[in-house]
Amino acid sequence: SYVLTQPLSVSVAPGQTARITCGGNNIGSKTVHWYQRKPGQAPVLVVYDDTDRPSGIPERFSGSNSGNTATLTISRVEAGDEADYFCQVWDSNNDHSVFGYGTKVTVL
Amino acid sequence: EVQLVQSGPEVKKPGESLKISCEGSGYNYFTTYWIAWVRQMPGKGLEWMGMIYPYDSDARYSPSFRGQVTISADKSNSTAYLQWSSLKASDTGIYYCARSRTVVATAPLGDWGQGTMVTVSS
Repeated sequence: SYVLTQPLSVSVAPGQTARITCGGNNIGSKTVHWYQRKPGQAPVLVVYDDTDRPSGIPERFSGSNSGNTATLTISRVEAGDEADYFCQVWDSNNDHSVFGYGTKVTVL
Repeated sequence: EVQLVQSGPEVKKPGESLKISCEGSGYNYFTTYWIAWVRQMPGKGLEWMGMIYPYDSDARYSPSFRGQVTISADKSNSTAYLQWSSLKASDTGIYYCARSRTVVATAPLGDWGQGTMVTVSS
């Protein structure tokens, strides 16, 4: 199965930029989606198809994907951005989807 | 507004069977969007279990869950199901259903149910 690697945690001060990476073998050839999960809540899609944002998601959330790394960038971080973030891809070789292990973003 | 309403919390004993549900509303053509099931074990990340295309009941499973659970759907009442024939303590967790954003299997999960807490304990 395709493996997605994420850092366990990222800490960032309010107003700064958080970058969350998602590593995978030639992940740049795949389409990556990102989800935000806050305690006690269902996950929310924040970026899809590498770079697109669903309606209602602030422009501060952006994504990129190239080579072996996809990145979710949160600009001008706010306290409300504190959450776990998961990347997801479709493993076309095995016909199923995969989530990364998740990154906990802490706002200092 | 798309809504996925899941059945309530369950407390079961090891070896018992269980079927939880996810009813879709607020959108046309329930049958032409994929419904996925995602597990969240206590204190852990998200695990994609599998999904179903209600139109023809085409189901895909993660290798980790194939043979362990069964995903089904009833078009007549716009409901998807996740079932176990013999629960284990390690099945304890929150189970989310989620709808694909488009009709394509590889689409992201744009709408989520509220989650069903399943506790398996002797």
